[in-house]
Amino acid sequence: AQSVTQLDSQVPVFEEAPVELRCNYSSSVSVYLFWYVQYPNQGLQLLLKYLSGSTLVESINGFEAEFNKSQTSFHLRKPSVHISDTAEYFCAVSDGGGFKTIFGAGTRLFVKA
Amino acid sequence: NAGVTQTPKFQVLKTGQSMTLQCAQDMNHEYMSWYRQDPGMGLRLIHYSVGAGITDQGEVPNGYNVSRSTTEDFPLRLLSAAPSQTSVYFCASSRDRSLRANVLTFGAGSRLTVL
Repeated sequence: AQSVTQLDSQVPVFEEAPVELRCNYSSSVSVYLFWYVQYPNQGLQLLLKYLSGSTLVESINGFEAEFNKSQTSFHLRKPSVHISDTAEYFCAVSDGGGFKTIFGAGTRLFVKA
Repeated sequence: NAGVTQTPKFQVLKTGQSMTLQCAQDMNHEYMSWYRQDPGMGLRLIHYSVGAGITDQGEVPNGYNVSRSTTEDFPLRLLSAAPSQTSVYFCASSRDRSLRANVLTFGAGSRLTVL
């Protein structure tokens, strides 16, 4: 069975500082990996995804994540955060032939001025 | 395009009451699903459907029923609400019935409180 572990429930950080949100997964088959973001009182939106190919994937707003198969990780990073990045971030995994996307417990990112 | 529309946004029930959370999408998506979101637990899959007339159970299906009579609609029914079902519920859909390269489109959520 697949599972996703997000190692930090809350991450406070000052504006313009770098941030890393950690995600580890377990699966016995090939996987597809996702990061979704949830702004207050909204549904989730896709931030970025890894399907195949280059292990480093980027989003349009400066986030990036690197798929590391040997460490079964898909950590999310941003070199300089903004107040507007304050949100909850969810790591998710979907197996190659199934119908289920499994989510981690989420990490709340607080960006302080 | 409205995307994924959920109603109601808020609902308060008493224990034992029944209700239906509605979900509709106008993107002709084959795949639809229901999640519940609880603090510290992320999103957990309740039920999903890969097309009209086809449904299956997710991680936490007990206490919930679904049906998929049309491509557009995927209602979630609580037959006898319990306080443990207090949660925020999200409907999500995807173009493809398989999640091989799946990106889920989420509704805005329905907050349910069971007293």
